[in-house]
Amino acid sequence: AQSVTQLDSQVPVFEEAPVELRCNYSSSVSVYLFWYVQYPNQGLQLLLKYLSGSTLVESINGFEAEFNKSQTSFHLRKPSVHISDTAEYFCAVSARNTDKLIFGTGTRLQVFP
Amino acid sequence: DTEVTQTPKHLVMGMTNKKSLKCEQHMGHRAMYWYKQKAKKPPELMFVYSYEKLSINESVPSRFSPECPNSSLLNLHLHALQPEDSALYLCASSQQGREIGLNEQFFGPGTRLTVL
Repeated sequence: AQSVTQLDSQVPVFEEAPVELRCNYSSSVSVYLFWYVQYPNQGLQLLLKYLSGSTLVESINGFEAEFNKSQTSFHLRKPSVHISDTAEYFCAVSARNTDKLIFGTGTRLQVFP
Repeated sequence: DTEVTQTPKHLVMGMTNKKSLKCEQHMGHRAMYWYKQKAKKPPELMFVYSYEKLSINESVPSRFSPECPNSSLLNLHLHALQPEDSALYLCASSQQGREIGLNEQFFGPGTRLTVL
């Protein structure tokens, strides 16, 4: 079975500051890793994913995440946040050959002016 | 079209009512999902349909009844719900044919359900 831990339930940060949202996972088999973002009153949107290859993956809006197999982590980072990045961020894992996406409990990123 | 649509956006129902939630996608995806999301919690998987057949039922109470009439449509029929069933119900879809688990799930905006 797989599990995902997001230790930080809330991360407050000022605009233009860097941010890191932490994600650790547990699995006995190979997994794919995802970060989804949920803006208020909306569904989830895929931010980025790690499937294989380069351990550093980037999104089009400046976020990046690095897969660290030894630490079983997939932390999300952005060097300079905007007010519009305020949202709930979910880390998720999917084991190979399953249809199930296992979500972490989410981290609310609150960006202040 | 890269969108998953859900109707209605909001639904209020009594415990004796029968209602249905509808989800539609035109991306040619062959896997469709229902999730339930309570406030400040992650989505919880309820059902998965793969090629219009129910492949996963996460021990959901029978008052929730899914239906997949064709590859583009997914319904969730509701009957005799309880107030604790109030939540955001999310639909998602993904491609299949490639390795399962590899495929991104595309989510709809959800239906906010309130059971009185």
